Parts: sequence; C-alpha cells; structure tokens
Amino acid sequence: GAGVSQSPSNKVTEKGKDVELRCDPISGHTALYWYRQSLGQGLEFLIYFQGNSAPDKSGLPSDRFSAERTGGSVSTLTIQRTQQEDSAVYLCASSGDSADTQYFGPGTRLTVL
Amino acid sequence: QKEVEQNSGPLSVPEGAIASLNCTYSDRVSQSFFWYRQYSGKSPELIMSIYSNGDKEDGRFTAQLNKASQYVSLLIRDSQPSDSATYLCAVNQGGSYIPTFGRGTSLIVHP
Repeated sequence: GAGVSQSPSNKVTEKGKDVELRCDPISGHTALYWYRQSLGQGLEFLIYFQGNSAPDKSGLPSDRFSAERTGGSVSTLTIQRTQQEDSAVYLCASSGDSADTQYFGPGTRLTVL
Repeated sequence: QKEVEQNSGPLSVPEGAIASLNCTYSDRVSQSFFWYRQYSGKSPELIMSIYSNGDKEDGRFTAQLNKASQYVSLLIRDSQPSDSATYLCAVNQGGSYIPTFGRGTSLIVHP
C-alpha cells in the first residue's frame, strides 16, 4: 500500500516568507508526528497528533511554527517569517498506534536564503 | 531530561564481520525500543523493535535489550557494504507517546 507522502520534496524560499509543508499519512494511521533534522544532526521532535485529541506542541521551537491536521488525516506544517536557521529536512511520520512503529515520509528539504 | 545516547562513530568494520551498535537511555520507565536505519539523504526506516528483555533476531539483525542496565544494542551479522548507513536508536520513555531519538551511529562496512 501507499506509504507516507510529503510535498514539496524541496522548497527554497527567501528569509521572511511563509512556507507550508504537507504530509499525507498512511491511511488509517491515527498518530502523526513532525520532526526536523538539520545536517548531521538527530531528529528533533516538533509536534504530535493523535486522533481527535489536542496536539502535543511541546517541540515547536517558536510561535512562528504551527501545524494542523484536518479530518484526522492530512497535516500541514506552517512556518511563518522563515529564518535561515529554519533550513533543514522536515520529516513526517505516522503510526497505527501511539507506541508502535513510525513510518517516515521522504521529507521536505527546506532552504531559507 | 530524557536522554538517549549513541556513539556517533563512525564505526568501521570489514565485510562479513559483526557490527555492534549500542544505545543507552536515561529513563528506567521505558517500554518500547526501536532501531532505524537511515541512508544518506533518505528518511529513517525501521530495522527492529523490541519490548522485552533479552534478544530478538530477524535475519542478520539481533536486537538486545537490558532494562536493568538501561541499554539496547543492535548486532548485524555478516555485515555488507549495503549496511553502511546511520543507525538511530529510539526509545519511548516514561510512557510517553513521543519517542526520543539518539543522534545515530554511522556505520561503514568496507569490502
């Protein structure tokens, strides 16, 4: 079956612009995670959605970052007024159970000039 | 602060040898443990999951969990150059639904 998909695969933007990153999880997966991975670094947790519960936003680095998940499926991560330090690969993962295996999408590489 | 520690490496082993990757974690109340493989420029993919003390084998891979000593390891037998990648350890600590990832160990298998 289809895996986790993300779009765009690459995004180049200018400092100060807003960007939206999209994630389509595996059908039926109730848990969805966003991570950020900078070059040579580990995975930095950003936000977690589980079903219809309020999301866990504890990893968002600033109020410029926000995310939503519509209808318990597709999620959008929005970064407002992008900064150069936002440049990274943004990974989305979904899971069929909150403690179960995470399946990662291919990521969106964001470059802020 | 919940920590998951891995040696960054690189760990270099000859083809055919056993590669041993280690991971320690700080929270004793941890329930789920995962090893992911990440090729350069790609996203992580699951290699093994383990939930109980002891060994779990899957093909050339064996995960070992010791909750008393708070470590989990991954053994790769008959290592191949295609195993060259970064291996990430992830732990669901303290009942959290959000796994903590280590920074990963870079493995190089040379012919």
